[in-house]
Amino acid sequence: DVKVTQSSRYLVKRTGEKVFLECVQDMDHENMFWYRQDPGLGLRLIYFSYDVKMKEKGDIPEGYSVSREKKERFSLILESASTNQTSMYLCASSQGQGRYTFGSGTRLTVV
Amino acid sequence: AQRVTQPEKLLSVFKGAPVELKCNYSYSGSPELFWYVQYSRQRLQLLLRHISRESIKGFTADLNKGETSFHLKKPFAQEEDSAMYYCALRSNFGNEKLTFGTGTRLTIIP
Repeated sequence: DVKVTQSSRYLVKRTGEKVFLECVQDMDHENMFWYRQDPGLGLRLIYFSYDVKMKEKGDIPEGYSVSREKKERFSLILESASTNQTSMYLCASSQGQGRYTFGSGTRLTVV
Repeated sequence: AQRVTQPEKLLSVFKGAPVELKCNYSYSGSPELFWYVQYSRQRLQLLLRHISRESIKGFTADLNKGETSFHLKKPFAQEEDSAMYYCALRSNFGNEKLTFGTGTRLTIIP
């Protein structure tokens, strides 16, 4: 059973802080993704990675960056957190053919 | 650009009644369509894919290319069907990116 683990369930950060959200998958998936989930807006893709050190921007990359130094780990970085980045962040990995396995999410509040 | 539209944010259905969750898409190529579901306090998970033409938990969905739709249907709703449902599209260009709709919250009334 593939597991995707997000390191924090809840985070509260101050405006301007640099924030790291970590995601680890325990299967040998090449593809990993970061989405944010907002009521009424659904899931919006921030960044994805199809291989180590490879990344591509999604639909809303502004204010975010990512790091994939190892195959199992995909980190989302908020360079300078702002209140409009308060959201639920979902990490996912994919074995292919659109079959995603999601993490349990990190609810980030920026105050 | 690819786009997925779920016109209903909220849908309430009585137990035992039929359920239909609407999904429309816009995409110039030949897409793959999916339904994902999130039950209360659980992770988002794959429910079904159009390409496998399967029925999961009594739900089915048929891809209608003429109407660019992929509606999710179940003949008799059960209380455990209450959840958030997302329709998603994958392009045929080989990458694994999914575009999700805005979701429909389904509530089954006992």
